[in-house]
Order: sequence, then C-alpha cells, then structure tokens
Amino acid sequence: QVQLVQSGTEVRKPGASVKVSCKASGYSFSSYAIHWIRQAPGQRLEWMGWIDTGNGNTKYSQKFQGRVTITRDTSASTACMELSSLRSEDTAVYYCARDGSRSGYGWFDPWGQGTLVTVSS
Amino acid sequence: QSALTQPASVSGSPGQSITISCTGTSSDVGSYNLVSWYQQHPGKAPKLMIYEVTKRPSGVSNRFSGSKSGKTASLTLSGLQAEDEADYYCCSYAGTSAWVFGGGTKLTVL
Repeated sequence: QVQLVQSGTEVRKPGASVKVSCKASGYSFSSYAIHWIRQAPGQRLEWMGWIDTGNGNTKYSQKFQGRVTITRDTSASTACMELSSLRSEDTAVYYCARDGSRSGYGWFDPWGQGTLVTVSS
Repeated sequence: QSALTQPASVSGSPGQSITISCTGTSSDVGSYNLVSWYQQHPGKAPKLMIYEVTKRPSGVSNRFSGSKSGKTASLTLSGLQAEDEADYYCCSYAGTSAWVFGGGTKLTVL
C-alpha cells in the first residue's frame, strides 16, 4: 500500500536548522509530488511547500521563503524538508503528504505520521 | 495567502446532519475546483475525506459529501456517529503552485 514514513522527533536550539525526511513506498515515487505541511501545537494546518519529484522543481509558501528547502532523492524514494534559522514559533509537527493527482495540483493523500520538531534553548 | 475561514466549532447529536463551511476568496476557492477536506483525530495525522470539491476517496463513508458555491465550500456529514468527532480542515489550491488551509472546525457529537 502507499505509505510515507517520516524520520523521528528532533530537538533544536534557536538559530539552528533541522532536516526531516519522508520515505515513500508502494508507488512510483517520481510520478507524484510531495508536499510539506506543519501544525503548531493547538493550531491549524499550514502548507509550507512542495516538490515535483520528477524534475525536482519546488515552490514554497511566501511565509517560509528563504528558510525552507525541499529536496528529493529518487534513488531512495525519499523527500526531505530542511528549515533553517529556527525560532520557538517553529515548534510543530511537520507532515509530508503525497499529492493525489499526477498533475501535482490536487490534494494530500496519504500523509506521513508526522515529525515533532521542538525548538528550545 | 490568508487562511480560509471556517467556524471554530459545530456540534450535533447522533443521527443528525451538520454542515461545515469554508469561505475563501476569488483567488482560491472561487477560482478552482480543487477544494479538499481532511479529518484529524487528536494526535493523529489528517485523513483525506473529500477532494476536488465533491469526490470521495474509496473507503470514506458516503455520509460525507462536499459542495461549493462561489467562494464558499461546504462539508456535510449525515447520520452523525460518535467516531465523527474530530477536527476538520478545508484546503484549496490558491494559484501559482500554492495551497491554503482553513482554520479548522472542531466537531462535537453530543
């Protein structure tokens, strides 16, 4: 079955960077885009950006532009999201999700299990 | 992009129907039939319930339905069940390869 498995919990100090991975299985990795979405404690879902896993093109939310980098390794069927210059407000659960449409302009299904990133001094 | 507007909470008794609205702008909900809805239970990852405004993924109960009129999309749950109690989020494509979520609605089954 289609599955996304993310890396484990991370703790970082303010100003540091964090990289979260998302390994896909059960489908052709390069055929569907991967999105990254985060959720701060008790807050709404927030779309961060996405990567076309076929050609590596990316698009980021204006809110995170300059701080986020999404990459992919097709040989490992893995996408990664790196967030830099971390601050306490970046404490959140970070999710990867596959785009449900081959066009890359669709919906999010399935989702990874989430990775908690805590930013604290 | 600003978040889509959802009611903070809705409630209903078992067996009843409820509707959750999701209001956007002419740049997102009003321009694209790419509205999706997600159910999220506490501590769990979101689950897709509706995509492309009205379509239901296989395995999702037909008690869930979606619609759209102008800049407002809606999710309707009929025959409420205890397990429907969760947070629900709408999401819309907003053009230029970007997406925007709603603020989320907490559904309470009385």
